[in-house]
Amino acid sequence: GAVVSQHPSRVICKSGTSVKIECRSLDFQATTMFWYRQFPKQSLMLMATSNEGSKATYEQGVEKDKFLINHASLTLSTLTVTSAHPEDSSFYICSARDSDSYEQYFGPGTRLTVT
Amino acid sequence: GENVEQHPSTLSVQEGDSAVIKCTYSDSASNYFPWYKQELGKRPQLIIDIRSNVGEKKDQRIAVTLNKTAKHFSLHITETQPEDSAVYFCAARRGAYNAGGTSYGKLTFGQGTILTVHP
Repeated sequence: GAVVSQHPSRVICKSGTSVKIECRSLDFQATTMFWYRQFPKQSLMLMATSNEGSKATYEQGVEKDKFLINHASLTLSTLTVTSAHPEDSSFYICSARDSDSYEQYFGPGTRLTVT
Repeated sequence: GENVEQHPSTLSVQEGDSAVIKCTYSDSASNYFPWYKQELGKRPQLIIDIRSNVGEKKDQRIAVTLNKTAKHFSLHITETQPEDSAVYFCAARRGAYNAGGTSYGKLTFGQGTILTVHP
């Protein structure tokens, strides 16, 4: 089956630093990838839609200069949390949509803790 | 945009009983309705989905029903087992097949239901 990986799975950083999270589709091409944030005991909230070769589309209320998204290839999208603060601590999950089948597959998530 | 409401927020059943989770959606253009199971700290796993041209779909102990007119869909789990305990999310999406417009293909999730199956 289709596999999506995320790296790192867990990261702890200091307030004010930046963190990059990678999302890869391992056995399929993904023109579109999605980035979600999930706080404890809450639902998945879409942050942005990442499109290969073009600018990401951000959901209302999500700061594009704080959450930088790059989708440079059909198998890789990255999310960089810039100048992280404790309130950015969350579970970040990516999802990749298969360009052929349009099925959407989720990555295992990245637990970000900002101290 | 789409709004998906999910109920109940928590559901506790005895092993062997049935569990039903209900969702309503607001966008009449939504035509794809997946259900996900998420264990603590893990990724959401697709367990069943239904498209708008079908009213019901079943896969062993799991079934989903869709009422397009009322804009609601439900997950039914029969003969529940302790390993069914998890958080379940419904979602709705417009078709991803339309050309242009990045709004297509976005999943909107319900708030989630914590299902606990007691042995």
